[in-house]
Amino acid sequence: EPEVTQTPSHQVTQMGQEVILRCVPISNHLYFYWYRQILGQKVEFLVSFYNNEISEKSEIFDDQFSVERPDGSNFTLKIRSTKLEDSAMYFCASRPSNQPQHFGDGTRLSIL
Amino acid sequence: KNQVEQSPQSLIILEGKNCTLQCNYTVSPFSNLRWYKQDTGRGPVSLTIMTFSENTKSNGRYTATLDADTKQSSLHITASQLSDSASYICVVSDILTGGGNKLTFGTGTQLKVEL
Repeated sequence: EPEVTQTPSHQVTQMGQEVILRCVPISNHLYFYWYRQILGQKVEFLVSFYNNEISEKSEIFDDQFSVERPDGSNFTLKIRSTKLEDSAMYFCASRPSNQPQHFGDGTRLSIL
Repeated sequence: KNQVEQSPQSLIILEGKNCTLQCNYTVSPFSNLRWYKQDTGRGPVSLTIMTFSENTKSNGRYTATLDADTKQSSLHITASQLSDSASYICVVSDILTGGGNKLTFGTGTQLKVEL
């Protein structure tokens, strides 16, 4: 069964540095999402992406965040200048029309 | 503000026993309700999805119910197995203007199945 794949599984970055989290959604899916889960807390919506543009974003998704689908297969989340509180699991998800989202196994981001 | 509340926060049961997890939500406009299973260190995996008109749905040993009037849902697990140990998350979807959907996650019930 096709899966959403995320790389790397664990990313350690110095505070203030830029980080790019990568996702390869399932190939025929049309809607793409990023979520984060701070340790011990619930999963939080960050952004949804459809037809090469952001369709919705949460309050968390401020100017430090950006998403891109550069080549038709990858879907990336960039954090421009990381802060300690950005440490979390980041989940990518994708779905076709009228079907539930499929989640990747996440990237654990640790900011030092 | 959309919210999803789950109870209990954690639960320990013996292998072979049944259990029921609860979910209350205030999400509008409501599109559907899903139950996800999240193993430690893994992404959530969908178990069931129910729309407004559905009040029960089964997936193997998992049976979900939905009461859209009271905005409550439950997930019943029968004949529990050690592999059922995980976090079970209630997720409610609203409808975004222009299509698509946004999910609101509950905090999850941490289930542990013991011998």
